[in-house]
Amino acid sequence: DAEITQSPRHKITETGRQVTLACHQTWNHNNMFWYRQDLGHGLRLIHYSYGVQDTNKGEVSDGYSVSRSNTEDLPLTLESAASSQTSVYFCASSDPGPHPNEQFFGPGTRLTVL
Amino acid sequence: GENVEQHPSTLSVQEGDSAVIKCTYSDSASNYFPWYKQELGKGPQLIIDIRSNVGEKKDQRIAVTLNKTAKHFSLHITETQPEDSAVYFCAASNSGGYQKVTFGTGTKLQVIP
Repeated sequence: DAEITQSPRHKITETGRQVTLACHQTWNHNNMFWYRQDLGHGLRLIHYSYGVQDTNKGEVSDGYSVSRSNTEDLPLTLESAASSQTSVYFCASSDPGPHPNEQFFGPGTRLTVL
Repeated sequence: GENVEQHPSTLSVQEGDSAVIKCTYSDSASNYFPWYKQELGKGPQLIIDIRSNVGEKKDQRIAVTLNKTAKHFSLHITETQPEDSAVYFCAASNSGGYQKVTFGTGTKLQVIP
């Protein structure tokens, strides 16, 4: 069965370190998204991609970067981790098309920055 | 950009009662309104969605209504069961924004047996 996976599921790091969160989907979806989930804020879009070599900034992109070298993967990198980036991170993917479609979410990565 | 407000933030109901969650949106161009359910420790999962060409959609015990004039939409769950306990998110999107959706802040629903 097709799926979307994230790794690691839990990560503790220190302020200033570079961290990369992995996202891998086997749906063959062109569209991929990264969100962070914080209490009182719901899900906020960090970055998104509509295909290989395409990346776009979301509403909370400062301090984060992504790259899309193939259809299956969209890794999220925190260049220099800050305590404000402690959060739960979700990756999602969706079918392409002229209209919005269902997004399929991964299980999440809980990141703690000390 | 789009702003989605969701109420209430928490909701407790007795098993068998109905639950209603309400959302408002700001962008009149929005035309797609999905609802996601998030169980503890998992990612959100789509439970129902509605597009702007319809005013109501129903799927078994779940229904969504849309009032484009007032820019609000609601999720109705009837005959609630303990397995309905979860966090529910509403969202809004428009075709001009392609596949991006803006989420509400979530409602934690507790169904008391």
